[in-house]
Amino acid sequence: EPEVTQTPSHQVTQMGQEVILRCVPISNHLYFYWYRQILGQKVEFLVSFYNNEISEKSEIFDDQFSVERPDGSNFTLKIRSTKLEDSAMYFCASSEGANTEAFFGQGTRLTVV
Amino acid sequence: AQSVTQPDIHITVSEGASLELRCNYSYGATPYLFWYVQSPGQGLQLLLKYFSGDTLVQGIKGFEAEFKRSQSSFNLRKPSVHWSDAAEYFCAVGPYNTDKLIFGTGTRLQVFP
Repeated sequence: EPEVTQTPSHQVTQMGQEVILRCVPISNHLYFYWYRQILGQKVEFLVSFYNNEISEKSEIFDDQFSVERPDGSNFTLKIRSTKLEDSAMYFCASSEGANTEAFFGQGTRLTVV
Repeated sequence: AQSVTQPDIHITVSEGASLELRCNYSYGATPYLFWYVQSPGQGLQLLLKYFSGDTLVQGIKGFEAEFKRSQSSFNLRKPSVHWSDAAEYFCAVGPYNTDKLIFGTGTRLQVFP
């Protein structure tokens, strides 16, 4: 069964460092998303991406964040200068179309120290 | 503002007992509705979804959910819980005018033998 894959599963980084979280969405999907879940809190939407551009973003997704689809398969989330409060589980998701079911990856646990 | 409420933070049931997890949403129209499950250390797995039509929807692992427009609810049910159902359950809504999902705070299900 097709699935969304994320790498790495866990990343530890020092405050102020740049991190790139990687995702391979399901191959025939057209919409891509990043969500995050701070420990003990609910899953929050960060950004959606369609047709090689951001279609929607939340207030959390400020200038420190960026997304890219560098090739036909990968979808990345970059945090330019990490803060302690960026520590969270980051989920990538993809869907065939707008308002269709989203399939989530296993997540990358980011720990900023 | 659009929101999802899961009033039960933690539910404990005995194996074999029936289960109902509550979900209420606040939205001007009928949104798309989803239930996801997150096992410890895992990603989000879609249990079931409601887009339109029959208000009782069947999902995987023996789960079902009923959409009640008058109560703005989408409660998840299972007639007989198994120990492997212990996990965190998230209700989510997908408003028509956006690609994103809005998640509830989750209900942690504990199953006793």
